[in-house]
Amino acid sequence: DAGVTQSPTHLIKTRGQQVTLRCSPKSGHDTVSWYQQALGQGPQFIFQYYEEEERQRGNFPDRFSGHQFPNYSSELNVNALLLGDSALYLCASSLSGHTQYFGPGTRLTVL
Amino acid sequence: DQQVKQNSPSLSVQEGRISILNCDYTNSMFDYFLWYKKYPAEGPTFLISISSIKDKNEDGRFTVFLNKSAKHLSLHIVPSQPGDSAVYFCAAKQGNKLVFGAGTILRVKS
Repeated sequence: DAGVTQSPTHLIKTRGQQVTLRCSPKSGHDTVSWYQQALGQGPQFIFQYYEEEERQRGNFPDRFSGHQFPNYSSELNVNALLLGDSALYLCASSLSGHTQYFGPGTRLTVL
Repeated sequence: DQQVKQNSPSLSVQEGRISILNCDYTNSMFDYFLWYKKYPAEGPTFLISISSIKDKNEDGRFTVFLNKSAKHLSLHIVPSQPGDSAVYFCAAKQGNKLVFGAGTILRVKS
């Protein structure tokens, strides 16, 4: 049974560019949440998608947007990248709000 | 405004002894708590959870205790093993999101 998968593993971008990160949920899960983890901190909630709609959003600017597809996979898009966007981006999946299971993350470096 | 706090950045324990990781929270509306373990280059792995209607939950070597009046929870690992060395995150469920502490690095020495 495949767990949560994320791609790519690592990514290097320059300031002002745009990036798209991808997530496939654990089999049987219908909800995808995205978190940003800066160095030395715990993960911070960005938003959650359920039934292809954004269900809840954390304290992140509109430069962060997402999408969920009919097969429950999801994308996180970040526009106009800033140096401060450098972080580990984690995707978590769950079944209708129950325990969230995390993927390995995508390490984004903005130069 | 840090609603979930893990005040010990690190903890070192001898193999076979008990590890106790602590977590404090400020929001009395939190009603469900989780502990995750994270190894380098991996995502957080779910360990154990507890609902606010309970004060204790056990799963093998892991036990979580919740003291609602003190807004405090703790994770006990008995006996500790070298493979338990990792970063441990406490999290509280708020609606659909998880609010995490900053983590505690546990080192189990053999």
